[in-house]
Amino acid sequence: GNSVTQMEGPVTLSEEAFLTINCTYTATGYPSLFWYVQYPGEGLQLLLKATKADDKGSNKGFEATYRKETTSFHLEKGSVQVSDSAVYFCALTGNQFYFGTGTSLTVIP
Amino acid sequence: NAGVTQTPKFQVLKTGQSMTLQCAQDMNHNSMYWYRQDPGMGLRLIYYSASEGTTDKGEVPNGYNVSRLNKREFSLRLESAAPSQTSVYFCASSEEGSRIYYGYTFGSGTRLTVV
Repeated sequence: GNSVTQMEGPVTLSEEAFLTINCTYTATGYPSLFWYVQYPGEGLQLLLKATKADDKGSNKGFEATYRKETTSFHLEKGSVQVSDSAVYFCALTGNQFYFGTGTSLTVIP
Repeated sequence: NAGVTQTPKFQVLKTGQSMTLQCAQDMNHNSMYWYRQDPGMGLRLIYYSASEGTTDKGEVPNGYNVSRLNKREFSLRLESAAPSQTSVYFCASSEEGSRIYYGYTFGSGTRLTVV
């Protein structure tokens, strides 16, 4: 069946540090892959997406590349800010959405 | 503002009480979903409605019922609340044909505590 595995959190980084949040998936067919972000007290917002192998999704300085050979979609940002503190969810589409368990990121000044 | 609206934002229930969580979307989406979010568990699908007039069980439907009142509205009912239903509930919607491109749109959530 379809599933998504995310790295365990929480993650704490200093401002301007490099961020990587790992995401691997298991899926049949050719799913689309997504990263969602949840700020405190809010719902999930779409951060970026990739719909086919080797696509790179990007938004707000975040990037992720759809790697079919390693079944991965790792989220990266070169220089995090305090305002990036949130919970990040990796997800894929099958006949429905499958979400990872979320990774909490805290950025300290 | 366009999007998914959930009410109420917060609710405290006593064990055994009933309540209905409301969700409405104004994006003309066909599909709507109810999820619950628990620490360390991510989001789990409770029920979904692929189109007006249809509903289907998700991963964790026990203790819940849903109604797709019309294309805009999808409500979630707890008939006899239990402490295990303490959670944050999210409603979401999508256009079935474009879900793989645009994903889901989520509401801001209902934080429910059952005591």
